Amino acid sequence: ETGVTQTPRHLVMGMTNKKSLKCEQHLGHNAMYWYKQSAKKPLELMFVYNFKEQTENNSVPSRFSPECPNSSHLFLHLHTLQPEDSALYLCASSQEGGSPETQYFGPGTRLLVL
Amino acid sequence: AQSVAQPEDQVNVAEGNPLTVKCTYSVSGNPYLFWYVQYPNRGLQFLLKYITGDNLVKGSYGFEAEFNKSQTSFHLKKPSALVSDSALYFCAVRDANNDMRFGAGTRLTVKP
Repeated sequence: ETGVTQTPRHLVMGMTNKKSLKCEQHLGHNAMYWYKQSAKKPLELMFVYNFKEQTENNSVPSRFSPECPNSSHLFLHLHTLQPEDSALYLCASSQEGGSPETQYFGPGTRLLVL
Repeated sequence: AQSVAQPEDQVNVAEGNPLTVKCTYSVSGNPYLFWYVQYPNRGLQFLLKYITGDNLVKGSYGFEAEFNKSQTSFHLKKPSALVSDSALYFCAVRDANNDMRFGAGTRLTVKP
């Protein structure tokens, strides 16, 4: 699991707070992802970055703002969240080439919005 | 659009017995199928994948999965379950556009 790291591991925030989640991959991959995992629901793909360029935004509310300064780092900036945003947020990375590649996941940030 | 279904929320088996975790998929074009496992307070760990070739795929920790095109299934199996296999298992499908979709997960409990 040291290939993809995420900080913090746990976060409690009020609805008016601003916080950021950080993800770092040490695998030399060129693509990074944010997923939301809620209980008993499929993982929801939020954002995809390929070569630092955002290639997918699955109708995610604007209170979630991603940032990818380089191919190793990915942030998720949070502001004015709602209680229903409480979930496990997972970061993943992969090496994209000609064929679909395996995604490697970080341990996640467990977020609680009060 | 592609999708994947895991029909069982929960699977219980006794240690030493064979286990099966079911997955069916729907995708246009050739399917690329994955299994991941998630232990408590951990991220998803890759187990195995099917891209092409032999329908029986062997992966980590003694797991294997069989791709069945006619039944559009990719069930995960292990001949002899261990208590330490207890975890949440996710099936995923990726289409030719590289969009990845996960199932809702199946919680496997292996009892001593």
